[in-house]
Amino acid sequence: DAKTTQPTSMDCAEGRAANLPCNHSTISGNEYVYWYRQIHSQGPQYIIHGLKNNETNEMASLIITEDRKSSTLILPHATLRDTAVYYCIAHPLQGAQKLVFGQGTRLTINP
Amino acid sequence: DAGITQSPRHKVTETGTPVTLRCHQTENHRYMYWYRQDPGHGLRLIHYSYGVKDTDKGEVSDGYSVSRSKTEDFLLTLESATSSQTSVYFCAIRTRDRDEQYFGPGTRLTVT
Repeated sequence: DAKTTQPTSMDCAEGRAANLPCNHSTISGNEYVYWYRQIHSQGPQYIIHGLKNNETNEMASLIITEDRKSSTLILPHATLRDTAVYYCIAHPLQGAQKLVFGQGTRLTINP
Repeated sequence: DAGITQSPRHKVTETGTPVTLRCHQTENHRYMYWYRQDPGHGLRLIHYSYGVKDTDKGEVSDGYSVSRSKTEDFLLTLESATSSQTSVYFCAIRTRDRDEQYFGPGTRLTVT
């Protein structure tokens, strides 16, 4: 699975859009970009995933560059409950899906 | 919530004793996973299962064994617990619709 690189931490004001970048320059053609988050001591929670098209769901939007070497997770109107560690993971859908969690980005939403 | 539970939720045990953690799911998912999480580390995969009696090792499998005798249960066993196995253990299932992993609430294990 491709290695991903994320900033260690970010801050965002409540109500503003939070944009979390992820670099995955060695991503293979069959690897999807998945985003999870972990709030405090809970288990990770799936947010969104995509292959090459931009995706949007009720939680977030995912923007993947045309060359697929990087992506951005967008939380459009961040709330205090979005404070969490966000993980970007690249892996293929086929196979065992042995996720490799890096350090992620610690996002703090400030009132 | 994908019907996934873990038991026990908290356990304190002594070095050298055997410990078994249970992951239970109610929705017949094929894939199940065990991860551990320690301060300074992200989640690391211990073992996973792709069906009844079908298991394989993950990144940090030494000192752990697993069993899956029926679809709904995936057991993680520490044959002889060590202090280095003090951690939070998360079980996960892989959903069929979005191919995401859905995580359980975690088990906090302390080995003294």
